[in-house]
Amino acid sequence: QTVVTQEPSLTVSPGGTVTLTCASSTGAVTSGYSVNWFQQKPGQAPRALIYSTTNKHSWTPARFSGSLLGGKAALTVSGVQPEDEADYYCLLYSGDVRVFGGGTKLTVL
Amino acid sequence: QVHLQQWGAGLLQPSETLSLTCAVYGGSFSGYYWSWIRQPPGKGLEWIGEITHSGSTNYDPSLKSRVTISVDTSKNQFSLNLNSVTAADTAIYYCARDLMWWGQGTLVTVSS
Repeated sequence: QTVVTQEPSLTVSPGGTVTLTCASSTGAVTSGYSVNWFQQKPGQAPRALIYSTTNKHSWTPARFSGSLLGGKAALTVSGVQPEDEADYYCLLYSGDVRVFGGGTKLTVL
Repeated sequence: QVHLQQWGAGLLQPSETLSLTCAVYGGSFSGYYWSWIRQPPGKGLEWIGEITHSGSTNYDPSLKSRVTISVDTSKNQFSLNLNSVTAADTAIYYCARDLMWWGQGTLVTVSS
């Protein structure tokens, strides 16, 4: 079964830029895959940020962007705000199965 | 505006069957994937499975033998059944539409 790997934790300063990545145990994440990204704050349900690897929802702040980077899916936050401190999860569509990554805890410090 | 409201038993004994229902308010029921996801306490998200309005399902291979997701289009509801639960099934369970709109989550605890 596919295992999806994310950085366990990252720290970024306010106003800085950070890239979170999402790797698949089956090989490179390519344009043939679909990747979603979610943000989850303590005590809340996850909130969808990115779908189909690069597409933003209407509520997704412009500072969030999705891409493919070096064989992985990536979520870049440019101009990080204090309210971006949260857990971030990627979801990889692998055939008929969806697999979540383990999540990245983003600290804004 | 789409709103998902979920409910079900919050405390189960080992070997019992977990049953949750999710009602959808606002928007069509057709043409979407209706999913269940869970999150053990302090851990990450786990995809359980999904169903379309026509009843086509996909399940996580590790849960497939114990899971059934069904849909009742007349009530705009879909449901999750997970049988033979153990303590490892203790989690917050979420329903979602296209993984875009999410329910509020239901904490299910399995304990004797």
